[in-house]
Amino acid sequence: AQTVTQSQPEMSVQEAETVTLSCTYDTSESDYYLFWYKQPPSRQMILVIRQEAYKQQNATENRFSVNFQKAAKSFSLKISDSQLGDAAMYFCAYRHLYGQNFVFGPGTRLSVLP
Amino acid sequence: NAGVMQNPRHLVRRRGQEARLRCSPMKGHSHVYWYRQLPEEGLKFMVYLQKENIIDESGMPKERFSAEFPKEGPSILRIQQVVRGDSAAYFCASSFRENTGELFFGEGSRLTVL
Repeated sequence: AQTVTQSQPEMSVQEAETVTLSCTYDTSESDYYLFWYKQPPSRQMILVIRQEAYKQQNATENRFSVNFQKAAKSFSLKISDSQLGDAAMYFCAYRHLYGQNFVFGPGTRLSVLP
Repeated sequence: NAGVMQNPRHLVRRRGQEARLRCSPMKGHSHVYWYRQLPEEGLKFMVYLQKENIIDESGMPKERFSAEFPKEGPSILRIQQVVRGDSAAYFCASSFRENTGELFFGEGSRLTVL
């Protein structure tokens, strides 16, 4: 069974600085998707970024980028120029290419300090 | 184009009562997923449905919980004879196709059992 681990329950970053959130996963599959979702205090899950495992190039979305290391099964999220609105729970998630179910990590609570 | 709509946003029930949570997927989406989030935890998969079919209910407790997605109308997650341990946020998500790789989440329904 696939598992997703986020080893940092809480992180903090100064406004305008850069922070990296860690995620590792365990799977025997070779084709899959990885995601970072953000859950602000409003509780709605918002997709931040996604990565297809067959793509070697790391995904980027404005200030958000990932460091995808397939052999190490690592998928970290880097947030540049952190903003107060980035404060939220961040969840790493895995989905097999032909799977129906997302597997979520336990989350990392990010605080942004003014 | 409305997103995934869930109602009620908040529901309070006494032990032994029934809870019904509704989810209308995004327009054009025929795949619905239900997840449960306990306080300070990640999302746990419960059930995956397509119109009139339950595809995967491996994450749903065998007793007291049921889900449906009828041909017409919203998907419904039903919890009978609720207990305090059922208190959680229940999230619905939808996707256009089975393997699009992305889920769109609703804002969740928070169930409190007194």
